[in-house]
Amino acid sequence: DSGVTQTPKHLITATGQRVTLRCSPRSGDLSVYWYQQSLDQGLQFLIQYYNGEERAKGNILERFSAQQFPDLHSELNLSSLELGDSALYFCASSLGGRTYNEQFFGPGTRLTVL
Amino acid sequence: AQTVTQSQPEMSVQEAETVTLSCTYDTSESDYYLFWYKQPPSRQMILVIRQEAYKQQNATENRFSVNFQKAAKSFSLKISDSQLGDAAMYFCAYRSAGHGGSQGNLIFGKGTKLSVKP
Repeated sequence: DSGVTQTPKHLITATGQRVTLRCSPRSGDLSVYWYQQSLDQGLQFLIQYYNGEERAKGNILERFSAQQFPDLHSELNLSSLELGDSALYFCASSLGGRTYNEQFFGPGTRLTVL
Repeated sequence: AQTVTQSQPEMSVQEAETVTLSCTYDTSESDYYLFWYKQPPSRQMILVIRQEAYKQQNATENRFSVNFQKAAKSFSLKISDSQLGDAAMYFCAYRSAGHGGSQGNLIFGKGTKLSVKP
């Protein structure tokens, strides 16, 4: 158990819908990263937050958005869902700061868009 | 932009034998980290081993070791005495050594599926 929790574990929805994925980082970790794992694109970075602020953006679609709340949990919002959004979405957390800190991965949320 | 390439989509090894998974990367940065992650059928991402670019010595973790060739931008993983539990997808990953709380995200290769034959 990495200490990172993600809910829900599985999500099945229809095209055009909107969903919210939730991530609780390890206690004390300030950085949260979101990754998408799909058959087509492999594992790719979506977005990073550090202590409530957006720090880096990767290949995140405009239909997707995220935020990190004062209690440091993070939510990834996916809207106008398409079949191609079906994927495993990982959240990872790390302490942040100037020295190396390992990224710990949550178990992922499996999203299926029908 | 940095890229990571794993040229072996699938590999197979006999139990108790040794196997080497290949990875090359491209970057113009001098300070970074390289990783091998294991993803078993449970889909959990498990860190296997880490290498700091500034260290010349190759990292080792029990049966897992790397061959880090910085000039060639090569980072291979050697698994010795392979076990059935080693069967998984293995991802090579790159991460910039950021500062001030903005440590870089991971950039992954496409992965190598390792099968272990009893």
